Amino acid sequence: GQQLNQSPQSMFIQEGEDVSMNCTSSSIFNTWLWYKQDPGEGPVLLIALYKAGELTSNGRLTAQFGITRKDSFLNISASIPSDVGIYFCAGPDSGNTPLVFGKGTRLSVIA
Amino acid sequence: EAGVTQFPSHSVIEKGQTVTLRCDPISGHDNLYWYRRVMGKEIKFLLHFVKESKQDESGMPNNRFLAERTGGTYSTLKVQPAELEDSGVYFCASSQGFAKSPLHFGNGTRLTVT
Repeated sequence: GQQLNQSPQSMFIQEGEDVSMNCTSSSIFNTWLWYKQDPGEGPVLLIALYKAGELTSNGRLTAQFGITRKDSFLNISASIPSDVGIYFCAGPDSGNTPLVFGKGTRLSVIA
Repeated sequence: EAGVTQFPSHSVIEKGQTVTLRCDPISGHDNLYWYRRVMGKEIKFLLHFVKESKQDESGMPNNRFLAERTGGTYSTLKVQPAELEDSGVYFCASSQGFAKSPLHFGNGTRLTVT
């Protein structure tokens, strides 16, 4: 099956800083999803991208679907302590098949 | 609206024992999924129910894992006998039947096999 590579694996940033993380695939994805997992909870969908080149925002979060369809990035502006968690990219392996997830980027915010 | 609920939240068992995890999806959601995350790894698909039928169980690791969804409501995932490598967080998710309907995840069951 397809694999998604996320980078960086972890990041430590100061409160107020901007954050950028990305996700790449060796094959084409038609949908990119970004999830966040808070400690002790399940992943929650942040942003869904359905078209190459699409740029979508959700509050301080912005995600883009790469033109090649093999990558996506997620930016968080002006980070706050509650941004702490693990961010996962995901997409369907192909067609209607179940989601494939990356290994996640663990974000720590230092107040 | 109640979210996806999973029980128990934590389970510690010895190798060779049996454990049953339960998932109650959001009411009205026909699709129910089981996923597992081993520490530091990706969240991996196990299987997918549509109502009471197994749509895709290609991710089930081996025949020690048995999933059921009686009456198309709640689902159980039984591991028998448990092995050390079964440790991880087991997530259940549900979604409605239409295309692109988002997955709603439960908080997971953290399973530790010693």
